[in-house]
Amino acid sequence: DAGVTQSPTHLIKTRGQHVTLRCSPISGHKSVSWYQQVLGQGPQFIFQYYEKEERGRGNFPDRFSARQFPNYSSELNVNALLLGDSALYLCASSPTATGGYEQYFGPGTRLTVT
Amino acid sequence: QQQVKQSPQSLIVQKGGISIINCAYENTAFDYFPWYQQFPGKGPALLIAIRPDVSEKKEGRFTISFNKSAKQFSLHIMDSQPGDSATYFCAASPPYSGAGSYQLTFGKGTKLSVIP
Repeated sequence: DAGVTQSPTHLIKTRGQHVTLRCSPISGHKSVSWYQQVLGQGPQFIFQYYEKEERGRGNFPDRFSARQFPNYSSELNVNALLLGDSALYLCASSPTATGGYEQYFGPGTRLTVT
Repeated sequence: QQQVKQSPQSLIVQKGGISIINCAYENTAFDYFPWYQQFPGKGPALLIAIRPDVSEKKEGRFTISFNKSAKQFSLHIMDSQPGDSATYFCAASPPYSGAGSYQLTFGKGTKLSVIP
């Protein structure tokens, strides 16, 4: 069975640019969550989507936005990139809206902002 | 505000030994406590999880011990192997409220090295 897939694997951007990260959940999973993992830290919650609706937002600025598509895949957008946005961005899927239970993570997208 | 505190930051254990990682939480509303294992360059993988209605859960060599009154839980890895060398994260989440946000709060991680 295919797990959570994310693209691209790595990305290098310049300060001020915009980035779009993509995630495909496990087949049958309807909930997608995004997390930011800074080097040496645990993942931090950014967004949760279920059935194309935002169900939760973490403590991140409005430069961060996301959406979920009818096929349950998701995009994370970050505008006006800052050096501090350099991190591993993780997508996690779960079968129901109760996203905390049994969340399965993808391999992540490594974003470097220079 | 760090809601889940994890210790130690790093741990070195000999092959065959027991690895113990501890976590403490502050939010009494948390009701789901998973442990994740992360290898370099990979996403976290769900290892084992516990609900507060039980004090211990065992899956193979991995055991979670949970102390609700102390608001602490720990991961024990028995017969530790070099292949267990990874970073381990504890996490916690509140119950799903039906319409509100639902998120995992992670500890800062413990880097485990199992030496032959």
